[in-house]
Amino acid sequence: QSALTQPASVSGSPGQSITISCTGTSSDVGSYNLVSWYQQHPGKAPKLMIYEVSKRPSGVSNRFSGSKSGNTASLTISGLQAEDEADYYCCSYAGSSTPWVFGGGTKLTVL
Amino acid sequence: QVQLQESGPGLVKPSQTLSLTCTVSGGSISSGGYYWSWIRQHPGKGLEWIGYIYYSGSTYYNPSLKSRVTISVDTSKNQFSLKLSSVTAADTAVYYCARETRPDTATPGVFDYWGQGTLVTVSS
Repeated sequence: QSALTQPASVSGSPGQSITISCTGTSSDVGSYNLVSWYQQHPGKAPKLMIYEVSKRPSGVSNRFSGSKSGNTASLTISGLQAEDEADYYCCSYAGSSTPWVFGGGTKLTVL
Repeated sequence: QVQLQESGPGLVKPSQTLSLTCTVSGGSISSGGYYWSWIRQHPGKGLEWIGYIYYSGSTYYNPSLKSRVTISVDTSKNQFSLKLSSVTAADTAVYYCARETRPDTATPGVFDYWGQGTLVTVSS
């Protein structure tokens, strides 16, 4: 069982928007603005999409955005494209004892 | 462009030691501000952080695995390695190496580069 809870799957049609949630606790997501999101296509390395809750690395489309409320972080993808179909993982800093915790991953299907 | 590549045996027998190496290219492992981690993913499950090393040799491990994990660095080869002892079937997973970029050594950063991962199966 993963430390952070994500829906197993979400889906949307091209052009639509979807949101993936990532629920943690007051010891991780709720305490630190250090939530990141990763996209992973089959057989590929995970790719950083969002860091520090809502910042986008250079080169990542502005269709990807992140937010946080309490113990839940969210990744929103607007204007869905076929290439967005992938697995998405959230990650949060959880303090000095066990620094990093991850979600179980969400499979995004573009219909 | 920084690239990380895991290598090592894909099959390990129970009770033996799993050994993997991560080769870093496109950047120096000795550059300050970077911590080098191992992360694994059990089949069909989420990700689990195993531990990290700094180029100086300073390490920190997940308490749940600490008694069995050793991470080392070879700056001359631009590589870092993972050893996990006394493995069982529960250690079967895809193992990733990743770079954590920090604004300073005391402030947690973000995993900005990952390897593609290597599947290690523990079986007799």
